[in-house]
Amino acid sequence: KAGVTQTPRYLIKTRGQQVTLSCSPISGHRSVSWYQQTPGQGLQFLFEYFSETQRNKGNFPGRFSGRQFSNSRSEMNVSTLELGDSALYLCASSPGQGFEAEMMPVLERGNEQFFGPGTRLTVL
Amino acid sequence: AQSVTQLGSHVSVSEGALVLLRCNYSSSVPPYLFWYVQYPNQGLQLLLKYTTGATLVKGINGFEAEFKKSETSFHLTKPSAHMSDAAEYFCAVSLSGGYQKVTFGTGTKLQVIP
Repeated sequence: KAGVTQTPRYLIKTRGQQVTLSCSPISGHRSVSWYQQTPGQGLQFLFEYFSETQRNKGNFPGRFSGRQFSNSRSEMNVSTLELGDSALYLCASSPGQGFEAEMMPVLERGNEQFFGPGTRLTVL
Repeated sequence: AQSVTQLGSHVSVSEGALVLLRCNYSSSVPPYLFWYVQYPNQGLQLLLKYTTGATLVKGINGFEAEFKKSETSFHLTKPSAHMSDAAEYFCAVSLSGGYQKVTFGTGTKLQVIP
């Protein structure tokens, strides 16, 4: 199976602009999570989508939004960019909790997330 | 609530020496614990995970970790460091397999000295 892909890999924007990042999960995975990684704050959870619905959300302002399509691909949008939004944005996919997960043996329920290579966003 | 503390943001070891990266967690319920590795300009890769059962978990690349409930620790070890182990390592915790609520530690950068 192909891994998680993220596009673009690198992006340079200026303050006030908006940006859309894309993530294609592993085939068959229904859950997509987004993280922001910065040297100062480390890895911070943005949000998670499952079956086109936002299921969990971290503590980020409303400028950060996302969506998931019927094929499980996900996009993340940041509006009115600020200098502090410069970061590596990581997408992670996993099978997702649902009927299929409940059928798995207990040991498999600690489903891991598979991470993409990230999109490096620089805001000037 | 859950949290993870990684002691030491930078660790240096000599090639061939023991690698020990420390992780302590806080969780109100039995946790699921993970160690991830991140190489420069790459995403995170799972090294190993503890869910239930055996408390000594073996992962990829010769790494292992031991879940010690009494010490609320999940330290990562490798008997002999290789140059290729130089990377950043993240400990993470989730509650009962709720991976979407995974909390990551701040990371430990491992330097391997030839």
